[in-house]
Amino acid sequence: AQSVTQPDIHITVSEGASLELRCNYSYGATPYLFWYVQSPGQGLQLLLKYFSGDTLVQGIKGFEAEFKRSQSSFNLRKPSVHWSDAAEYFCAGSGNRDDKIIFGKGTRLHILP
Amino acid sequence: NAGVTQTPKFQVLKTGQSMTLQCAQDMNHEYMSWYRQDPGMGLRLIHYSVGAGITDQGEVPNGYNVSRSTTEDFPLRLLSAAPSQTSVYFCASSYSSISTDTQYFGPGTRLTVL
Repeated sequence: AQSVTQPDIHITVSEGASLELRCNYSYGATPYLFWYVQSPGQGLQLLLKYFSGDTLVQGIKGFEAEFKRSQSSFNLRKPSVHWSDAAEYFCAGSGNRDDKIIFGKGTRLHILP
Repeated sequence: NAGVTQTPKFQVLKTGQSMTLQCAQDMNHEYMSWYRQDPGMGLRLIHYSVGAGITDQGEVPNGYNVSRSTTEDFPLRLLSAAPSQTSVYFCASSYSSISTDTQYFGPGTRLTVL
C-alpha cells in the first residue's frame, strides 16, 4: 500500500543548529512529494514540492529537501534554525493526479534558545 | 485576497446534533478538499471536489456529506454528530489536482462533540 512515513514525532534542536526532518514514501513510480508547515493554531502552508527534475528542491523560509529514490526518502533540511521555525511539519505524497494525497503523521519541531 | 476562509473557528455539539462547517475561497480554484486532523494521525482526507457539482470521497468519508454548488463554496455537513468526530477540520483549495498541486489551507475549525 502507498504510504508516507515520518519516523520522528518530536525533534528538538537548538537555535542556530542545523535541522533534518525525515520522510519516507512507498510509491512505485516517481511520486509527487510535498512538505507543509503548520504554525500553532494555524492552517498548513506549503514549504516546497517535488515531482521531477533536480532532486534538490529549494523552498520558502530557507528550507530545502532532497529526493533520494534509492532510499525512498524526501528529507527536509535547514542549515540554521530560528525560534520562529518551531511548528509541526508534514510530509505528503501521491502517485499521480488521480491518487488520493496521503499525509504523514507529522513531526513537531521544538527550538531551544 | 482573503484566501480560504472557514467558519466557525470553534464549535461544541451534542451527540446527534447536526451542523455545517463553512468553507469559501476567492482564488477561483477548481479543486477543494476537507481534511480532519487528529493528534498523532496527521491529516486525513474526508471529501474533495474537482469543480462545481462534482464531489468524491476521500479516506474517511463516513458521517460527512458535501456538495459544491459554486466554485467558491464547499460546505461540510455533519448530519448526526458523534464523539468520534471531535477533531480539527481544515478546508483547502488548489488550482489543479489536490494530489499534485499546491493546496492552500484555511485556518481550521475546532469541533468538539460531547
